[in-house]
Amino acid sequence: DQQVKQNSPSLSVQEGRISILNCDYTNSMFDYFLWYKKYPAEGPTFLISISSIKDKNEDGRFTVFLNKSAKHLSLHIVPSQPGDSAVYFCAASDTQGGSEKLVFGKGTKLTVNP
Amino acid sequence: DAGVTQSPTHLIKTRGQHVTLRCSPISGHKSVSWYQQVLGQGPQFIFQYYEKEERGRGNFPDRFSARQFPNYSSELNVNALLLGDSALYLCASSRFQGFEQFFGPGTRLTVL
Repeated sequence: DQQVKQNSPSLSVQEGRISILNCDYTNSMFDYFLWYKKYPAEGPTFLISISSIKDKNEDGRFTVFLNKSAKHLSLHIVPSQPGDSAVYFCAASDTQGGSEKLVFGKGTKLTVNP
Repeated sequence: DAGVTQSPTHLIKTRGQHVTLRCSPISGHKSVSWYQQVLGQGPQFIFQYYEKEERGRGNFPDRFSARQFPNYSSELNVNALLLGDSALYLCASSRFQGFEQFFGPGTRLTVL
């Protein structure tokens, strides 16, 4: 039973345009959400996070939006750059659950074309 | 500052053998977590240790064990290896419980 779902295995966008990566979750106990970027042969790199008490968090070109009622979050990258090409993982955590367990989606492969 | 380091980078074992993977967290980080990532999937939580105590365990068999040392480094041990244990094993550290986790490059384990 997948608690975090990234339904788009891949996404292709043109350089300079907006990339929107989506993520859905089913566990209502999740209260902290993170996005990681992963290049081949490297570990995931932390990008941005959001607590359930917020609905938006921005960091430079990256913005994460959280819709708790829909159990949906999205990552916006504006403007997209070729160096953003990687696999993006959405992860969720129940911070009151006593451990730092992160539950990951399967990832979305983003390709930014020059 | 150095990031999370893991050793070895790659490892090839045969079925039934035992393996030990090592992780050094970012300086000042007291929490270490282990994840298994198989091809086409996201990382799956195995263990978390904070201040040398186990704080969480994922849905893995007892063949998997771990510990954290006084310097906050950690070992993941897997006994009686199966072909299905072939994966990328990731270690992540964080400063305190609930903070963002930072991942190492991983150890690629191949079981033949």
